Amino acid sequence: GDSVTQMEGPVTLSEEAFLTINCTYTATGYPSLFWYVQYPGEGLQLLLKATKADDKGSNKGFEATYRKETTSFHLEKGSVQVSDSAVYFCALTEPTGNQFYFGTGTSLTVIP
Amino acid sequence: KAGVTQTPRYLIKTRGQQVTLSCSPISGHRSVSWYQQTPGQGLQFLFEYFSETQRNKGNFPGRFSGRQFSNSRSEMNVSTLELGDSALYLCASSRGGMTTNEKLFFGSGTQLSVL
Repeated sequence: GDSVTQMEGPVTLSEEAFLTINCTYTATGYPSLFWYVQYPGEGLQLLLKATKADDKGSNKGFEATYRKETTSFHLEKGSVQVSDSAVYFCALTEPTGNQFYFGTGTSLTVIP
Repeated sequence: KAGVTQTPRYLIKTRGQQVTLSCSPISGHRSVSWYQQTPGQGLQFLFEYFSETQRNKGNFPGRFSGRQFSNSRSEMNVSTLELGDSALYLCASSRGGMTTNEKLFFGSGTQLSVL
């Protein structure tokens, strides 16, 4: 079945450091891929998405590229800020599927 | 435009009791899906309702049930609570539902503690 695997956290970085959170997936078809972010005490918010191979999703300085050959959708940001401290979830949904599959989440803490 | 509203924000129950959680979607959204979030299991899909019908269901026991009303508001019920049901329960809404690949708009969740 479909699944999403994220790198385990927690991740702690200094402000302005480079961020990569790895995400790989298993899917039977051609899924759409998402990154969601959960700030402390809040629900999830969509951060970015990509719906087909080689698409790049971007938002708030974050980027992720849909790599079909490596079944990956790694999240990157060139210079993190304290306000980026949150839990990040990779997710997928099949075009004809009936549910979202989420990774277990990666906690990021950015220190000044 | 108001976001997704979940009530109550916090709940404390004892084993064996039942609980009902409420979710009001964004106006115009006909799909409401429910999720359980725990530190150990991450985020797991419970079920989705669309236009008052359960359309999809995850791998949870029958103690977990839900319904959706004509105004798209949804309730989730858990009967015979167990300690392991302690979790953050999130709902999400969208216009066309999960099969359209639309983004999900999440509420802030209901934190349920079972003692």
